Amino acid sequence: DIQMTQSPSSLSAFVGDRVTITCRTSQTISGYLNWYQQKPGKAPNLLIYGASDLQSGVPSRFSGSGSGTAFTLTISSLRPEDVATYYCQQSYSSPYTFGQGTKLEIK
Amino acid sequence: QMQLEQSGPEVRKPGTSVKVSCRAFGFNFTRSSIQWVRQHAGQRLEWIGWIVVGSGNTNSAQKFRERLILSTDMSTSTAYMELNSLASDDTAIYYCTSRGPLGRLDPWGQGTLVTVSS
Repeated sequence: DIQMTQSPSSLSAFVGDRVTITCRTSQTISGYLNWYQQKPGKAPNLLIYGASDLQSGVPSRFSGSGSGTAFTLTISSLRPEDVATYYCQQSYSSPYTFGQGTKLEIK
Repeated sequence: QMQLEQSGPEVRKPGTSVKVSCRAFGFNFTRSSIQWVRQHAGQRLEWIGWIVVGSGNTNSAQKFRERLILSTDMSTSTAYMELNSLASDDTAIYYCTSRGPLGRLDPWGQGTLVTVSS
């Protein structure tokens, strides 16, 4: 199975800050990397697919980059509604594993 | 608008089975692939398996393979996940979601809480 490691596990930042979350995989997955946002008590919501493509309807302050085994999710200017847990997921090979999540809070 | 609507919460005793439903709205169900994911309280998401609706082909994580049944009813655009031989560790929220190009998962159902307790 492909192991997914996110860092940091938790993060606290000010409104307006630039925030970066990293996801590393145990083997190369080309660009088959997706990012999801999950707010408390809600289902996950797709933000980024194919490592860098923004899902329709997602604000442009969210962006993704990377390839191979290292990927990043960036929020260019943090807003209060971005408080959530963020997960990466590889869709390269079964089982389609997820990272452990990064909990994002506002300072 | 693409939407998945899941059945309500379930309580089961250890050793029994549960069947969760997931009804699709707003997209071509017969050309979709429905994946199932679960989440223990406060934990990461865990991929369970998928079914290609049109062909009925399935794939699942090894740990579920012997006690998981994935099925669909195209007449009602509904997918089902049946998990047998339940144990307390199966207590979790179960989500259905549709797999799109590049393996992206969207939309997601609202989740179904399955509680296994004696």
